[in-house]
Amino acid sequence: GENVEQHPSTLSVQEGDSAVIKCTYSDSASNYFPWYKQELGKGPQLIIDIRSNVGEKKDQRIAVTLNKTAKHFSLHITETQPEDSAVYFCAASAPNNAGNMLTFGGGTRLMVKP
Amino acid sequence: DGGITQSPKYLFRKEGQNVTLSCEQNLNHDAMYWYRQDPGQGLRLIYYSQIVNDFQKGDIAEGYSVSREKKESFPLTVTSAQKNPTAFYLCASSFRVSTDTQYFGPGTRLTVL
Repeated sequence: GENVEQHPSTLSVQEGDSAVIKCTYSDSASNYFPWYKQELGKGPQLIIDIRSNVGEKKDQRIAVTLNKTAKHFSLHITETQPEDSAVYFCAASAPNNAGNMLTFGGGTRLMVKP
Repeated sequence: DGGITQSPKYLFRKEGQNVTLSCEQNLNHDAMYWYRQDPGQGLRLIYYSQIVNDFQKGDIAEGYSVSREKKESFPLTVTSAQKNPTAFYLCASSFRVSTDTQYFGPGTRLTVL
């Protein structure tokens, strides 16, 4: 089955700096890669996603890049703000008998220092 | 106001008791999912349902049961057979079990006393 590794597990940056979180996946058939932000005690919220036919996607201060050959994808947050502090999860969706199921990385705790 | 709701937010259970967590969605999604999240870890799939009256085991289904009698509802029962049930439980839904976006509810924190 699919295996998703996420690094780093914690990341501390100064307000205004950029943050980069990286994920690798094992199943070359994976074709959908969402990123979720989870605040303390809440459910994850989708912040950006990318499909395998695209190499990069951007939405204001956040961007995701995908390298299918190397089987890794990354989340980039520019001009970080204290409200960006949260746990971020990557996921990869690979087909199985029932359809495509998400496999999640272990999460990255991002702390933005004011 | 569309979305996914879960209740209760906090739940306490004595050892040996079954407990049912509620999940409701009004997004007209066919697919629904239950995940378990342990502190500092990612999400693991317990059960999923592609359509009414159908559900499939995920990676960690032992000790759990579900039903899908209505499109809007996908309750999860944590049985006494679940050895370590204390965790944060998340429900999600999507249009289909495919590369469709999954939307999550606010979660239920279950603590076994």
